[in-house]
Amino acid sequence: QSVLTQPPSVSGAPGQRVTISCTGSSSNLGANYDVHWYQQLPGTAPKLLIYANTNRPSGVPDRFSGSKSGISASLAITGLQAEDEAVYYCQTYESSLGGSLFGGGTKLTVL
Amino acid sequence: EVLLVESGGGLAQPGRSLRLSCAASGFTFDDYAMHWVRQSPGQGLEWVSGISWNSASIGYADSVKGRFTISRDNAKNSLYLHMNSLRPEDTALYYCTKSPTLTNVRFDPWGQGTLVTVSS
Repeated sequence: QSVLTQPPSVSGAPGQRVTISCTGSSSNLGANYDVHWYQQLPGTAPKLLIYANTNRPSGVPDRFSGSKSGISASLAITGLQAEDEAVYYCQTYESSLGGSLFGGGTKLTVL
Repeated sequence: EVLLVESGGGLAQPGRSLRLSCAASGFTFDDYAMHWVRQSPGQGLEWVSGISWNSASIGYADSVKGRFTISRDNAKNSLYLHMNSLRPEDTALYYCTKSPTLTNVRFDPWGQGTLVTVSS
């Protein structure tokens, strides 16, 4: 079964830097498919945060950055703010599924 | 402004059917693949189904294959999800979203979702 693995939770104090990992396999991230990241604030729809591994849509602060290498990807958030408290999902294309695959989500708590 | 507005959710008994709709505006609808993604209460995101711009390519999650049918009407800028043989585990908020292609799954934006509850 195809899986994208994320840590269930991360936390950090305001101003600190946190990273969220996303590990896939040879049939998704390892097959050179892009990873995308979404932020879901409480009670709202997901919002695209990072696309194609490293790119920020217009309006997303440069405190958010993404990287990808092989079957792994990560999202980094610097200068943590209270408003960053949300659930973050990684996502890619899974060839064996013929569709999209999401990670399980990581809840970020700003202490 | 790009808008995706879902409708058609509600309460259904197990084994019954529902049809979800998604009305799109603010972009050239037939330039994009479209998808349904669901989120069960308190859970993560699950891709349900996707359809290419011309309906030539369609994909389903294993959990809904054979029960759900995705379709689109480019003349009406609309996406649909026909859900048959509903199960309690289909209870979720169903989102509509678009991507450049079926394999470039950059989902942006998302609708507000429509809630489906399957219960007797």
